[in-house]
Amino acid sequence: DTGVSQNPRHKITKRGQNVTFRCDPISEHNRLYWYRQTLGQGPEFLTYFQNEAQLEKSRLLSDRFSAERPKGSFSTLEIQRTEQGDSAMYLCASRVYREDGANVLTFGAGSRLTVL
Amino acid sequence: DAKTTQPPSMDCAEGRAANLPCNHSTISGNEYVYWYRQIHSQGPQYIIHGLKNNETNEMASLIITEDRKSSTLILPHATLRDTAVYYCIVPQREYGNKLVFGAGTILRVKS
Repeated sequence: DTGVSQNPRHKITKRGQNVTFRCDPISEHNRLYWYRQTLGQGPEFLTYFQNEAQLEKSRLLSDRFSAERPKGSFSTLEIQRTEQGDSAMYLCASRVYREDGANVLTFGAGSRLTVL
Repeated sequence: DAKTTQPPSMDCAEGRAANLPCNHSTISGNEYVYWYRQIHSQGPQYIIHGLKNNETNEMASLIITEDRKSSTLILPHATLRDTAVYYCIVPQREYGNKLVFGAGTILRVKS
């Protein structure tokens, strides 16, 4: 399968624990995005990378959140000292440069986090 | 905030065309209109995008009005598997052209 892969698909943790999600984008895609989605809402932008450079972070990304994309390949999203409000689906997406400049993203299936 | 307005929900009979409207009255001249959909428990899926002309691909057709203030996504022969939330998105240049998802339209295809 050459799509965007996210692991783990489901994570249940206790409040205060740290969690890490991994995203493997489509190999030739240079841009990688993280979104968060809570029940009944559309996905909300968190951050994105162009190759290994993190170019933008949303105000939603508090200092407990950190994302990395070493070597411009896979990416990790770590949440420290989880809170119940962090419970959500964390979506990763990637895209390749297009001549028309269109923002066509391929999303993974997401990692669902439940904080007890 | 999203720059688009969509009805919260629509129903469609299986085998009939599903026409999903979207208003984007503040769109700028060179901003694309994108449509994505999200089937339950899956990530969003790209459907189609357009600038000024109508577009068609294997999934759907996109009709954009001449003034570009609204558009319609057409699924020509809806199936039960097309039941999903459909998002109409106009990325905002002031926010770096990121895809900003609104609440979308819940399309229910019924047999």
